[in-house]
Amino acid sequence: NAGVTQTPKFQVLKTGQSMTLQCAQDMNHEYMSWYRQDPGMGLRLIHYSVGAGITDQGEVPNGYNVSRSTTEDFPLRLLSAAPSQTSVYFCASSYRGLGNTEAFFGQGTRLTVV
Amino acid sequence: DAKTTQPNSMESNEEEPVHLPCNHSTISGTDYIHWYRQLPSQGPEYVIHGLTSNVNNRMASLAIAEDRKSSTLILHRATLRDAAVYYCILRALVSDKIIFGKGTRLHILP
Repeated sequence: NAGVTQTPKFQVLKTGQSMTLQCAQDMNHEYMSWYRQDPGMGLRLIHYSVGAGITDQGEVPNGYNVSRSTTEDFPLRLLSAAPSQTSVYFCASSYRGLGNTEAFFGQGTRLTVV
Repeated sequence: DAKTTQPNSMESNEEEPVHLPCNHSTISGTDYIHWYRQLPSQGPEYVIHGLTSNVNNRMASLAIAEDRKSSTLILHRATLRDAAVYYCILRALVSDKIIFGKGTRLHILP
């Protein structure tokens, strides 16, 4: 099993450009989520999904869009990148388990917006 | 979402036990207590979780207070590879969301 795969690992964008961060998992997990981590800080939840066709906002959703058309994939879209979105982004997945399941995280995408 | 409180940092000597505390006084009866850790330049990894009873696995033990308002992650014999940020998280029954706090940075002294 590959687990949770994030692509790309590194990306540099110019202000105003758009891009999609990819997240794929091969464990048939219903729950998937995106986080951002800024230097010296913990992870903040951007968006999450409890199944295909269902998404919801986390703590810091502004500037980001998500959709969940398949169980395996949960892409994160930046429509117009801003320097404030420079961060490391992590994707996570787990079975839905009423709080009783472990989550698996990808290795992260380091995004720089100049 | 219920909050957790952890010390910013802790130090321990190599090959000694480490007790990492977490307070969660607003925990609801159906929240699970989870611990994750993040090694430098890596994504978080699962350590352990529990609801009411103490839990053991190959990585660590989790001791949960009887009133569930606090818990302690126990690393039985710390190694240099255990140096990481440890996050105590409450995972809610209804939403399944994982909300991170600031965590405890654990330093292991050789």
